[in-house]
Amino acid sequence: KQEVTQIPAALSVPEGENLVLNCSFTDSAIYNLQWFRQDPGKGLTSLLLIQSSQREQTSGRLNASLDKSSGRSTLYIAASQPGDSATYLCAVRRTGANSKLTFGKGITLSVRP
Amino acid sequence: SAVISQKPSRDICQRGTSLTIQCQVDSQVTMMFWYRQQPGQSLTLIATANQGSEATYESGFVIDKFPISRPNLTFSTLTVSNMSPEDSSIYLCSALLSHGYTFGSGTRLTVV
Repeated sequence: KQEVTQIPAALSVPEGENLVLNCSFTDSAIYNLQWFRQDPGKGLTSLLLIQSSQREQTSGRLNASLDKSSGRSTLYIAASQPGDSATYLCAVRRTGANSKLTFGKGITLSVRP
Repeated sequence: SAVISQKPSRDICQRGTSLTIQCQVDSQVTMMFWYRQQPGQSLTLIATANQGSEATYESGFVIDKFPISRPNLTFSTLTVSNMSPEDSSIYLCSALLSHGYTFGSGTRLTVV
């Protein structure tokens, strides 16, 4: 059974800092991995999707990496801003016909002005 | 990228009543999903809804409590039946697209 872990559960950083959010998964037989952002009480916004054959994806100040063999992904946020404050969720999609996502519990990020 | 419109965005309901949540996708999709997110928790999959077939429910979720409709390739509903305070959660629909999963904006349900 796939398990996705995100540690720490919460993180507080000063504005302008570069930071890395970690995600680990137990079963390397994945189809892809997706990072989401969730604002309090809201739905999920997709940030980046990495296919199992890819090593990284970039969008603006965000860069996500994937090391399938070690079961790890990181989300790098450059020059953090207070508007980046949210919960960041990592989700893994398994291979095969079953397309279910397995989510981590998320990392709640607070960027202090 | 596709957009999912979900409504209502929030509701406060009386114990014992039912609420139907709607999701409309602006493109045709084969697979839609319904999730529950209890306070302080991550997302838990309730069921997978494919057009033209019965929804497939995850362990711990039953059709009588969470009936789902999927009448066409752009629309789905989830009903939360005979509600109790334990059903207070955020409910989210999702669709699988070529570029990954897209989520609706969520329905924040409070049962009193």
